[in-house]
Amino acid sequence: DTGVSQDPRHKITKRGQNVTFRCDPISEHNRLYWYRQTLGQGPEFLTYFQNEAQLEKSRLLSDRFSAERPKGSFSTLEIQRTEQGDSAMYLCASSTGQGWEKLFFGSGTQLSVL
Amino acid sequence: DQQVKQNSPSLSVQEGRISILNCDYTNSMFDYFLWYKKYPAEGPTFLISISSIKDKNEDGRFTVFLNKSAKHLSLHIVPSQPGDSAVYFCAASDSSGTYKYIFGTGTRLKVLA
Repeated sequence: DTGVSQDPRHKITKRGQNVTFRCDPISEHNRLYWYRQTLGQGPEFLTYFQNEAQLEKSRLLSDRFSAERPKGSFSTLEIQRTEQGDSAMYLCASSTGQGWEKLFFGSGTQLSVL
Repeated sequence: DQQVKQNSPSLSVQEGRISILNCDYTNSMFDYFLWYKKYPAEGPTFLISISSIKDKNEDGRFTVFLNKSAKHLSLHIVPSQPGDSAVYFCAASDSSGTYKYIFGTGTRLKVLA
């Protein structure tokens, strides 16, 4: 169990640029989640996958955000035309996919949009 | 609409005493609950869970209590240790089958040596 891995740990970008984050879940975990956390708030649900299928997207996920999990293993989260309000910690989590169960979180990607 | 609420943003407790962290929810369909601990610059770490068929679950120093009628759960840590100082989040999921978890805003616990 190598844990959930996220890359990069930190990203600084200028407003209007595109950014992409990667998440590698725990091996053989079927569910993969993306959350966003801002200062003083709890993690906010963005989207989740069961294998390669994206099963739910939050209304927080505007059309500038897109997530993929092409082979049911790693996932990417892309933000196009970044805005200062996108500055946050982006957290990825995975689980085995057996009913209701705990999520294993990665260390997150801290995005700062200048 | 904040469906999961942690109304105490912070809590200070003396080492060795009990820490009680509270969580309230509004959605009566929530039936599976998780508690997480988070240190700065790290992802949340799972502590303990409870499903709605139980009203108590224990794991070592951590006990979670669920009061379904009051839509309230609490996490008890006893005895509290300085290493327990962190932000604690509760999370809830309903039985609609979406398997997404809604998190509260967190309570910052400080255990004083």
